Amino acid sequence: NAGVTQTPKFQVLKTGQSMTLQCAQDMNHNSMYWYRQDPGMGLRLIYYSASEGTTDKGEVPNGYNVSRLNKREFSLRLESAAPSQTSVYFCASRLAGNGVETQYFGPGTRLLVL
Amino acid sequence: AQSVAQPEDQVNVAEGNPLTVKCTYSVSGNPYLFWYVQYPNRGLQFLLKYITGDNLVKGSYGFEAEFNKSQTSFHLKKPSALVSDSALYFCAVRDFRSGAGSYQLTFGKGTKLSVIP
Repeated sequence: NAGVTQTPKFQVLKTGQSMTLQCAQDMNHNSMYWYRQDPGMGLRLIYYSASEGTTDKGEVPNGYNVSRLNKREFSLRLESAAPSQTSVYFCASRLAGNGVETQYFGPGTRLLVL
Repeated sequence: AQSVAQPEDQVNVAEGNPLTVKCTYSVSGNPYLFWYVQYPNRGLQFLLKYITGDNLVKGSYGFEAEFNKSQTSFHLKKPSALVSDSALYFCAVRDFRSGAGSYQLTFGKGTKLSVIP
C-alpha cells in the first residue's frame, strides 16, 4: 500500500494563477482532509470530506475549493492564487469506525506563490 | 471551542536523558488525544493516542504519554532520548461535531525537539 499520496511535491505559481492539488489514498478510508501548515501556526484544516459525496469547510476555507472525486481521491483547488497561500499543504485520510480515530498523512505539497 | 496548547516552541535535551514535551487541552466533553511527529520535509506520522482506559499510553519508537484529566494535560515522554528523535512534535485533540459524520483534529502549534549528542 502506498498510503496517502500527493501531487505535485512542489509548485511555484504567480499571483492570480490557478492550480489543483491532488490527493489519493489506497486504504479504503471514508474521510479525507486538507490542511495547511505555516511556521508557528501548526496545522489548520481547510476542508474535509466525511464520506464520498460530501465536503465541509474547516477553519480556513477562503480561497479554496475541493472535490471528492470518488472514495480514493480528494482534490484541492486554488482558483486565483495569492501570496498568502504560500504554504505546505497536507492531505490526510481516516477510516471512520468504532475506535478507529487515527488520521494518516501524505508527504505534503510545497506551494510558493509569487 | 476545542483547543490545544504546546507551551514550548523548542525543547533541547542531551542524548540519553529523559525527555518531556508538554501539551494541555481544552474540550467540552471527553477528549481523544493524539501525538504526531514530523521529520524534516516529511508528512506527519502517528505516534500514539488516548481514547479511554489507562492514563499511560505507549506508542511508537519508545514514546509514551500520560493523560491527566485534572490538569487537562497529555505530555509526551521518553526515558532515554536519541539524536534521531530530533523532530517537530504535534499534539492534537478530537473535535467531534455531532451529525457531521466525521470529526476534526485541532492541532497545537508544534514543539521542536533537539537532542544534542
